[in-house]
Amino acid sequence: AQSVTQPDIHITVSEGASLELRCNYSYGATPYLFWYVQSPGQGLQLLLKYFSGDTLVQGIKGFEAEFKRSQSSFNLRKPSVHWSDAAEYFCAVVPEEGKFYFGSGTKLNVKP
Amino acid sequence: GAVVSQHPSWVICKSGTSVKIECRSLDFQATTMFWYRQFPKQSLMLMATSNEGSKATYEQGVEKDKFLINHASLTLSTLTVTSAHPEDSSFYICSARKAGDNQETQYFGPGTRLLVL
Repeated sequence: AQSVTQPDIHITVSEGASLELRCNYSYGATPYLFWYVQSPGQGLQLLLKYFSGDTLVQGIKGFEAEFKRSQSSFNLRKPSVHWSDAAEYFCAVVPEEGKFYFGSGTKLNVKP
Repeated sequence: GAVVSQHPSWVICKSGTSVKIECRSLDFQATTMFWYRQFPKQSLMLMATSNEGSKATYEQGVEKDKFLINHASLTLSTLTVTSAHPEDSSFYICSARKAGDNQETQYFGPGTRLLVL
């Protein structure tokens, strides 16, 4: 079955530490890939997206993500987390027809 | 550019009443709008795809008579939750695709939180 998996429900990191949020997908072909961030009670903000080309994509707020075809993964990274990064992060794929399929989300807590 | 608004941002209603949620593209024309529902601590689930001037396409398991969608203009789509019940309480988010953009580019609204008592 087609799916988007974010295996980590909650992650806690210290401010200044590095971060990696995992995302795996299972689709026949390479879909379009996205990472969104959602603050409590808010809508979604696009962090970055991958359509084709360079597999390491840069986004806003210092985030980057790497597409690895062999692993069907699109993990989100940030070298140094700030307290304002505490939020919920969603990976999304668009395999066809413009329909977004979201992962279950990873809630990030940042310790001072 | 590419701002999407939703109104209201919060709504509380009694069980059995109907609630209308608006999704507007403020600075662009949206040929297609999407409606999502997000239950607490869960991900967003696509409910339906709304094309201007035609009937909405609903995802499997979403009752079209329960969730009425009208995309009457290129800047407005409405979702009406008819005879709302407590289990309909959720966070409803719309997104819009610009005319001429590729299918993968969508702009999300801030969401509407519905609480049915």
